[in-house]
Amino acid sequence: QQQVKQSPQSLIVQKGGISIINCAYENTAFDYFPWYQQFPGKGPALLIAIRPDVSEKKEGRFTISFNKSAKQFSLHIMDSQPGDSATYFCAAVSNYQLIWGAGTKLIIKP
Amino acid sequence: GAGVSQSPSNKVTEKGKDVELRCDPISGHTALYWYRQSLGQGLEFLIYFQGNSAPDKSGLPSDRFSAERTGGSVSTLTIQRTQQEDSAVYLCASSIQGLAGGNEQFFGPGTRLTVL
Repeated sequence: QQQVKQSPQSLIVQKGGISIINCAYENTAFDYFPWYQQFPGKGPALLIAIRPDVSEKKEGRFTISFNKSAKQFSLHIMDSQPGDSATYFCAAVSNYQLIWGAGTKLIIKP
Repeated sequence: GAGVSQSPSNKVTEKGKDVELRCDPISGHTALYWYRQSLGQGLEFLIYFQGNSAPDKSGLPSDRFSAERTGGSVSTLTIQRTQQEDSAVYLCASSIQGLAGGNEQFFGPGTRLTVL
């Protein structure tokens, strides 16, 4: 029940395209859903986050879509750029614990 | 030095040796977390410190792992009698307070541990 399932494991997108990463959870106690971006050799950094009372949050080219009834949320990267190539992790928070997805390695082809 | 720092950045050790990994959180952050990240995997929670409260050690994989946080600031993760399966990147993060309320965790660059 504590799992967060993330897909796909890897993703290749052409420059300018839309990158979509999906996550699903089961624990309804989760109350905060962040996405983290990690470049090689670096720690993860918060990219964007959403609470379950909101269905969508947009920050620049990054959008989280949240479907509370389906217990699913997704990250959309519009106009994907080579600099977006990184590993992306979804996560869910219950109390003080972050439960992490397994990560998606995103490659943007120029 | 505004970010979380960790040392060493890389550590190579022999099986059976003890290692200590250090984390300096952002000044003023009361919450500190340790995670382990194996190659190509997500983050595995190890331990959580919040202020002067007793730490949550529920993620420590065995009694060979321990951590302490002195003076509410610097933390040390100790792995005794290291095994090859301990090889991973160990990440430290801090936040202003605990995650209830959605406070952002700031991560250090990690310590890459290799056990030969």
